[in-house]
Amino acid sequence: AQSVAQPEDQVNVAEGNPLTVKCTYSVSGNPYLFWYVQYPNRGLQFLLKYITGDNLVKGSYGFEAEFNKSQTSFHLKKPSALVSDSALYFCAVRDSAGNNRKLIWGLGTSLAVNP
Amino acid sequence: GAVVSQHPSRVICKSGTSVKIECRSLDFQATTMFWYRQFPKQSLMLMATSNEGSKATYEQGVEKDKFLINHASLTLSTLTVTSAHPEDSSFYICSASPSVGQTDTQYFGPGTRLTVL
Repeated sequence: AQSVAQPEDQVNVAEGNPLTVKCTYSVSGNPYLFWYVQYPNRGLQFLLKYITGDNLVKGSYGFEAEFNKSQTSFHLKKPSALVSDSALYFCAVRDSAGNNRKLIWGLGTSLAVNP
Repeated sequence: GAVVSQHPSRVICKSGTSVKIECRSLDFQATTMFWYRQFPKQSLMLMATSNEGSKATYEQGVEKDKFLINHASLTLSTLTVTSAHPEDSSFYICSASPSVGQTDTQYFGPGTRLTVL
């Protein structure tokens, strides 16, 4: 069965420090992996995705994520956090062999960047 | 690019009435749109997948007669909550996947806050 795990409900980091939001997944075939960000009372914004190719993916707002097949992980990273990065982050996956485009979602990680 | 709008952004209605929510892809065509429900401080719950010109595919446990979905064009899907009750109060979010180009990516609308009194 396909699944996504975001092991941390909340991540706290000081402004200027590097941040990591963790995500691990399970699919039967090759994964398509996504990160989205949600600000309060808003829809989700697409940050980045891994489909194929280079394991290190760069996305919006200075975020990047590294696909690690052996560890089945797709952790989101940013070298220097901003207070404005405080939001809810969702990881999602789908099986590339799937007939539909339905995504399996993690439960979300709340990121708080402290000034 | 890849902008999705939802209307209304907020609606308050009386119990027993029906509410229609529109989801539009503004600068791309979307064969497939998705409807989600999100409770406070919780993850997204997929309600149904909406395919242009065909019947929606509902997730297990979602009543298709209560949550009517119509995807009549490549840029518009609607969700109608029929005979709404207070337990239907929630944040409803739609997403759309482009028919060409970034077909694997879902682009989200800003959400609709439904409150049923």
